[in-house]
Order: sequence, then C-alpha cells, then structure tokens
Amino acid sequence: AQKVTQAQTEISVVEKEDVTLDCVYETRDTTYYLFWYKQPPSGELVFLIRRNSFDEQNEISGRYSWNFQKSTSSFNFTITASQVVDSAVYFCALSETGLYGDTGGFKTIFGAGTRLFVKA
Amino acid sequence: DAGVIQSPRHEVTEMGQEVTLRCKPISGHNSLFWYRQTMMRGLELLIYFNNNVPIDDSGMPEDRFSAKMPNASFSTLKIQPSEPRDSAVYFCASSFGGRTTDTQYFGPGTRLTVL
Repeated sequence: AQKVTQAQTEISVVEKEDVTLDCVYETRDTTYYLFWYKQPPSGELVFLIRRNSFDEQNEISGRYSWNFQKSTSSFNFTITASQVVDSAVYFCALSETGLYGDTGGFKTIFGAGTRLFVKA
Repeated sequence: DAGVIQSPRHEVTEMGQEVTLRCKPISGHNSLFWYRQTMMRGLELLIYFNNNVPIDDSGMPEDRFSAKMPNASFSTLKIQPSEPRDSAVYFCASSFGGRTTDTQYFGPGTRLTVL
C-alpha cells in the first residue's frame, strides 16, 4: 500500500533562512508520481510540482528546489531565502499507476503536511 | 482562465439537514475529484469521476454521502442527513488526462459546519 510521511509537523524559520521540508514515501509500484502542494492561510491548495519516478533530476524553480532520491524514497523540498509569504502548510503526495495501468491509477495519497512559519 | 469553482464557500447547517456542495471544473478537464480535509484525517479522496462516470467511490464515508456529475462542467456532493462529524473543508479538484497521476488543480474549498 502506498504511504506518504512528512515527519516535520511544524517548522519555524526567520526570513531569508533556507528551509527543507522532508517527504518520504512507500510504494511497491515501479511507476508513480510525486507532487507538492502549498496551502496558504487562505485555504486553497496550490500545485507546485509533479515528478514521475523515472526522472530523478533535481528541479529548481526560482527559490524552490526539489531533490528526488529513489534510493531513499524521498522527495524533499527546499525553499531558499525564505519569505513571510512562504508561510503555509505544504503537502507531499503520491499517486501510483499499478492497479489500473495507464488508464486509471490508484488514488492520490497526501501526507499530513508540514506547517511552515516564516517570521520577519 | 477560471480555475475550479466551488460554491458555497461557507455553509453552516444544523444536524439532520441536507447539504449540497457544488463544483465547476476547469474547462476541458475530464477528471473530477472530491476531497475532504479534517485535522484528524488530513486530505481524503471521497470520489473520482472520469468523463462524468464515477470511477472510484471507495472513499465515500457512508450512504449519507452521494455525488453526481451530470455533465462535464458540473458536479455535486450531497450529504443527507448531515451530522456534526461531517464538519470539514470539502475540496473539488479537476485534471486533464483521465488518470489519478495527472496534476489535479484544486478549488478554493467549501467549509462546512454542521451544528
């Protein structure tokens, strides 16, 4: 069964610090997808990134970067030079393709989330 | 382009009343998902439609919950009768591609309070 663990419940940093949010997943599937979403205080869920299991290249988007390591089943998210606007709950999610093959897929499983506080 | 639209944004009702939540997916998307978010259980998938057909409703808590998608641009989630434990934020999401592995775009959510 698939599982996503975000062990950090809350993280508090001061503005301009770098911060890494951890995500560890479990799956028996060889083909799967990983996601990160941001939920700011306003409540909506904002898509940040989608990565498939065959692409282990790290990705950078502005101050955001993601480190995917299949060997440790981790997909960590780093914010460089954090800002107050980064304060939010961040969710890591996993979706497998095993059950329905290419036409369906298991449901997407979300981690419990990590609440990030960035103080000015 | 408009994102996923949900209504109402807030709903307060009394136990036993019927509640209907509405969702308009992003135009052109062919999959629609209903999620529930609570402090205790986090984000849970309730039901998933592909091309207006329910594919997986194993997350629907019980018979009090029902969902429909009469066309590609509209879906409802109904709770009847509502109970205090149904209080949560209900999200609708849509995606293009027909698979749960496609990126899902979420609506703003409906915060439901059942007294």
